[in-house]
Amino acid sequence: DIVMTQSPDSLAVSLGERATINCKSSQSVLYSSDNKNYLAWYQQKPGQPPKLLIYWASTRESGVPDRFSGSGSGTDFTLTISSLQAEDVAVYHCQQYYSPPYTFGQGTKLEI
Amino acid sequence: QVQLQESGPGLVKPSETLALTCTVSGGSISSSGYYWGWIRQPPGKGLEWIGNIYYSGNTYYYPSLKNRVTISVDTSKNQLSLKLSSVTAADTAVYYCARHKYEPGSQPYYFDFWGQGTLVTVSS
Repeated sequence: DIVMTQSPDSLAVSLGERATINCKSSQSVLYSSDNKNYLAWYQQKPGQPPKLLIYWASTRESGVPDRFSGSGSGTDFTLTISSLQAEDVAVYHCQQYYSPPYTFGQGTKLEI
Repeated sequence: QVQLQESGPGLVKPSETLALTCTVSGGSISSSGYYWGWIRQPPGKGLEWIGNIYYSGNTYYYPSLKNRVTISVDTSKNQLSLKLSSVTAADTAVYYCARHKYEPGSQPYYFDFWGQGTLVTVSS
């Protein structure tokens, strides 16, 4: 199984400031045949299901504010929120879909 | 917009079988562009993929659960189902069904729509 490890486990950021969450995979999730990173990011607010934010490591899902961005390649990835809003308080999860079983990181709790 | 809704018992006794149904609306479960999956989340913990299914019946299961899991699809009802046998307290979790983006010839990718989830508690 590909193990996904997020850091930090929790993070407190002031409103308007930048938030950065990291995700590391135990093996590369970059497919050489299409040069795509098979990694997604999800946002989960309390009592709600996860919501897809980013796929292919850096492609924003339709409707996701552009303050959310994803970067990285191979085994190291980053989710950045450029200017934190109150509604961004949530747990953020990364997920690899390079190969089954599809595995998630442990989650990063973002607070203000 | 597609919507998914899980249903089933909220309490299951140890050693019995957990059975859940997910009803899909706003889209066809027979669409060629999607698998349909089950993911669970124990209280206060992270997400764990259980398995998924294509409308044709092709399935992937998480290896450590494979001996206990059955996922099926009923295209006439636009539903998918999960059965997990011989449950223990470790199977207590919120169970989600989700749509799993797919391109024919490839493998399933990310989960783009999720149900609200249903809490299943294993207890006598």
